[in-house]
Amino acid sequence: ETGVTQTPRHLVMGMTNKKSLKCEQHLGHNAMYWYKQSAKKPLELMFVYNFKEQTENNSVPSRFSPECPNSSHLFLHLHTLQPEDSALYLCASRPEGGRNEQFFGPGTRLTVL
Amino acid sequence: GENVEQHPSTLSVQEGDSAVIKCTYSDSASNYFPWYKQELGKRPQLIIDIRSNVGEKKDQRIAVTLNKTAKHFSLHITETQPEDSAVYFCAASISGGGADGLTFGKGTHLIIQP
Repeated sequence: ETGVTQTPRHLVMGMTNKKSLKCEQHLGHNAMYWYKQSAKKPLELMFVYNFKEQTENNSVPSRFSPECPNSSHLFLHLHTLQPEDSALYLCASRPEGGRNEQFFGPGTRLTVL
Repeated sequence: GENVEQHPSTLSVQEGDSAVIKCTYSDSASNYFPWYKQELGKRPQLIIDIRSNVGEKKDQRIAVTLNKTAKHFSLHITETQPEDSAVYFCAASISGGGADGLTFGKGTHLIIQP
């Protein structure tokens, strides 16, 4: 366990559904990230938040909408997804103070029907 | 943006032998290079990392080397053991700023043959 938790662990949704993924860390980290891991593709950075402010959006389609209400919580709101969006969505966080290591959560396995 | 290439995609070695995985990156501004190990069904976990002001770093059986001029870095695992079997990912980022998301290579599936 790294101290980063994600819920739900598995999610099946239709293309017209709206759902949200949740990430939580109580490690005192101030940077949080969303990554997408698809089969046969590298881990892809989606969003970066530092001190609740979005600092990086890696050209992610608007059907993915992140939210960071505080430094401990990160959400990914999903709406009108496509089957090709099926993947493992990983959250990560990083401490401040010069350390670069990102700690990953266990991921949410998303299937879009 | 940054592009990270990783080779080989699959590596099979005999138990006890060494394994080497190589990565190249494109953005000369990148200054942080971690390696993650991901076992089947589990989260990626950092095994070693290196910053651009260092050429080599070692931690027991694992070492990483960095050549900034050539923009490539490598993971070396010596005396491999069955529990080393996993997918290994290299990554690069620019640390010290707000936009420090990792760009990952495609991964290497390391298989340790008994």
